[in-house]
Amino acid sequence: DQQVKQNSPSLSVQEGRISILNCDYTNSMFDYFLWYKKYPAEGPTFLISISSIKDKNEDGRFTVFLNKSAKHLSLHIVPSQPGDSAVYFCATGAGSYQLTFGKGTKLSVIP
Amino acid sequence: GAGVSQSPSNKVTEKGKDVELRCDPISGHTALYWYRQSLGQGLEFLIYFQGNSAPDKSGLPSDRFSAERTGGSVSTLTIQRTQQEDSAVYLCASSLGGSPSPLHFGNGTRLTVT
Repeated sequence: DQQVKQNSPSLSVQEGRISILNCDYTNSMFDYFLWYKKYPAEGPTFLISISSIKDKNEDGRFTVFLNKSAKHLSLHIVPSQPGDSAVYFCATGAGSYQLTFGKGTKLSVIP
Repeated sequence: GAGVSQSPSNKVTEKGKDVELRCDPISGHTALYWYRQSLGQGLEFLIYFQGNSAPDKSGLPSDRFSAERTGGSVSTLTIQRTQQEDSAVYLCASSLGGSPSPLHFGNGTRLTVT
């Protein structure tokens, strides 16, 4: 039973438009949420995080939104750039210990 | 500064052989994790080391898997009598530990068991 679900295995977006990646989780004890980006043949790279006391965190073109009542997390990238093309994983946990990862969403930004 | 270093980057082995995978974490990071990613799957937690505490081995899939961390730094993941289902990318990560802090991953070791 997946505790963290990324229901869209892939997403295509035009350059300059907004990319929205979604993630749902089941465990209400989770209080730390992260997004990672992964290029082929590389390890995941930390992108942005949010704790359960917030509902939004912004870093440049990247914004993470947390809806605790819906147990839903999203990542917005605006404007999207071709270099953003990668697999994006959401991860959740209690603190940073033993993060549970989703299966990833492959984002393709079309020039 | 240097990131998490893993070796080898690729390993092909025959079924039944033992393999050792190495991880060199970021200097000063007290927490070290091993994950693996099988084809089409998310990252699966294997084991967690924090300082001098006993490791959390709850994610190890069988007793063929073991890991150690010497001197609070370098870690080795050992898989004995490898099976084809062990084929995956094995990822090591480290973090500052303590209060929530992001995990920093190495580039992984791609293990193929033939």
